[in-house]
Amino acid sequence: DQQVKQNSPSLSVQEGRISILNCDYTNSMFDYFLWYKKYPAEGPTFLISISSIKDKNEDGRFTVFLNKSAKHLSLHIVPSQPGDSAVYFCAASRSYAGNNRKLIWGLGTSLAVNP
Amino acid sequence: GAGVSQTPSNKVTEKGKYVELRCDPISGHTALYWYRQSLGQGPEFLIYFQGTGAADDSGLPNDRFFAVRPEGSVSTLKIQRTERGDSAVYLCASSSTSGGGENTQYFGPGTRLTVL
Repeated sequence: DQQVKQNSPSLSVQEGRISILNCDYTNSMFDYFLWYKKYPAEGPTFLISISSIKDKNEDGRFTVFLNKSAKHLSLHIVPSQPGDSAVYFCAASRSYAGNNRKLIWGLGTSLAVNP
Repeated sequence: GAGVSQTPSNKVTEKGKYVELRCDPISGHTALYWYRQSLGQGPEFLIYFQGTGAADDSGLPNDRFFAVRPEGSVSTLKIQRTERGDSAVYLCASSSTSGGGENTQYFGPGTRLTVL
């Protein structure tokens, strides 16, 4: 049972345009959400996160929006650049005992930004 | 400062053999996580250490898998009697636990394990 879902396996965008990556979750206990970017043969790199008490967080070209009622979040990249081409993972966490914040991950969306 | 490092980067072994995968976390990070990523999947949680103790090992698939962190820094993931289904990228992440609940996890490059 996939608690975090990224329903688009791939996305292709023109350089300079907006990239929108979507993520849905089912567990209402999740209170923190993160986006990671992954290049081949490298570990995931943290991009941006959002707490469930907020509905938007912005960092440079990256903005994450959270809609708690819909259990949906999205990552916006504006403007998209060829170097943004990678696999993007959505991950969610909740509080467990002992400061445990293990992450539950989606399957990823492969973004291709075309020059 | 150095990030999370993992060794070896690649490990090829034969079915039935024993392997050890090492993770060196960011200095000062008390929390350490192991995940496993199979082809086409997202990472899956294996085990969480807070300091030296395994606070949550609920993700370990079976008793062939074991992990230690004896001094609260470096961690070793040990797999006995490897099976072909163990082939995956094993990822290690560390985080601090000083800033509320949402401590960002920083990942190493992973160890790609191939069991022939």
